[in-house]
Amino acid sequence: DAGVIQSPRHEVTEMGQEVTLRCKPISGHNSLFWYRQTMMRGLELLIYFNNNVPIDDSGMPEDRFSAKMPNASFSTLKIQPSEPRDSAVYFCASSLGGGGADTQYFGPGTRLTVL
Amino acid sequence: DQQVKQNSPSLSVQEGRISILNCDYTNSMFDYFLWYKKYPAEGPTFLISISSIKDKNEDGRFTVFLNKSAKHLSLHIVPSQPGDSAVYFCAARPQTGANNLFFGTGTRLTVIP
Repeated sequence: DAGVIQSPRHEVTEMGQEVTLRCKPISGHNSLFWYRQTMMRGLELLIYFNNNVPIDDSGMPEDRFSAKMPNASFSTLKIQPSEPRDSAVYFCASSLGGGGADTQYFGPGTRLTVL
Repeated sequence: DQQVKQNSPSLSVQEGRISILNCDYTNSMFDYFLWYKKYPAEGPTFLISISSIKDKNEDGRFTVFLNKSAKHLSLHIVPSQPGDSAVYFCAARPQTGANNLFFGTGTRLTVIP
């Protein structure tokens, strides 16, 4: 079975450009999570969806960040405009989302560098 | 404010010895705790978990201990192997039924052959 798929794996862009990160969760999983990993704060939850509906976006740092989940098999995280401080590794994860102690399965991450 | 804290950014242990990774949390409502392991250029993978109604859970070489009164948990790896070298993240679920997790900053474990 394919795990969580993220693209691109690496993204280098210039300040002010729009960046779109993509995620395909594991088939049958109902919850999807976007995380950002930094040295200072570890894994920060940015936003999560249940059944394609955003449940908690309190971790989204600014209005420059937005996320969508148009269907059960695809989600995007967009940064517009990007800034150097957005440089980090962004992970997508999915889980069954039954509200129990579900394991989250992570994708390989997208390493974003904003110059 | 960081609700899950891993105060040791790194740990080095000799192969065959015990590795102890520590984690503290601030929210007494957390009811489920997990450890994830992360290799370079890969996403974190689930390792072991413990419910707040227990104080110990064991899975092979890995044991997690929970001290609710101290709001502290630890991961013991015995014996440590070079393949255990990775970053370990502690995570906590905020309440029963919640789907989200709070993660710590991670501890990089290096097992020296």
